[in-house]
Amino acid sequence: DADVTQTPRNRITKTGKRIMLECSQTKGHDRMYWYRQDPGLGLRLIYYSFDVKDINKGEISDGYSVSRQAQAKFSLSLESAIPNQTALYFCATSDFFGDRGEGADTQYFGPGTRLTVL
Amino acid sequence: QKEVEQNSGPLSVPEGAIASLNCTYSDRVSQSFFWYRQYSGKSPELIMSIYSNGDKEDGRFTAQLNKASQYVSLLIRDSQPSDSATYLCAVNIGRSGGGADGLTFGKGTHLIIQP
Repeated sequence: DADVTQTPRNRITKTGKRIMLECSQTKGHDRMYWYRQDPGLGLRLIYYSFDVKDINKGEISDGYSVSRQAQAKFSLSLESAIPNQTALYFCATSDFFGDRGEGADTQYFGPGTRLTVL
Repeated sequence: QKEVEQNSGPLSVPEGAIASLNCTYSDRVSQSFFWYRQYSGKSPELIMSIYSNGDKEDGRFTAQLNKASQYVSLLIRDSQPSDSATYLCAVNIGRSGGGADGLTFGKGTHLIIQP
């Protein structure tokens, strides 16, 4: 089984609808991230969480919200979807390395959710 | 604002040759550097990580880091058609006490290995 899973894998929705993307991980990592990827713009960070009580905005958080339900689960919501939120969304996880040695900050990605907003 | 720059390509390399991918970053205090490979429509897959100046080798892959020049590169020896993909350079600035506040990615270099 995959260490990082995302549901749904594909979703088509309409403008104004609320939608939730879910991420689960079995890696035991404390840190989780949401990115979006657009052609020509690369991967951009939306939100990140260091534990269930620590959630932080990333580069492009407007129009999104998140919930960290448990160490293993991190959800991304679009309260009122708009067409320019059409993108490929990735969840990622990483472990904490206090000594910043080999392996520090390494992130592992889920398979992605392709979201289309009409 | 942290920035990571890559040539978007496409970079075309004959099979069996060495592919050289380059990346520059703007933040002088960056501490962790990564190369990810991404096939079209798939998720990024970690290829190499490097934290110290110099070279790091893993099989056909070698990562090179020069912090003074704010430059990191990836060499792929004996290139295979299966190496054709987009290669993403990613950089992170470490927070006090350790930790990752997310990676800043370059837009990627599209590599094509010609049979």
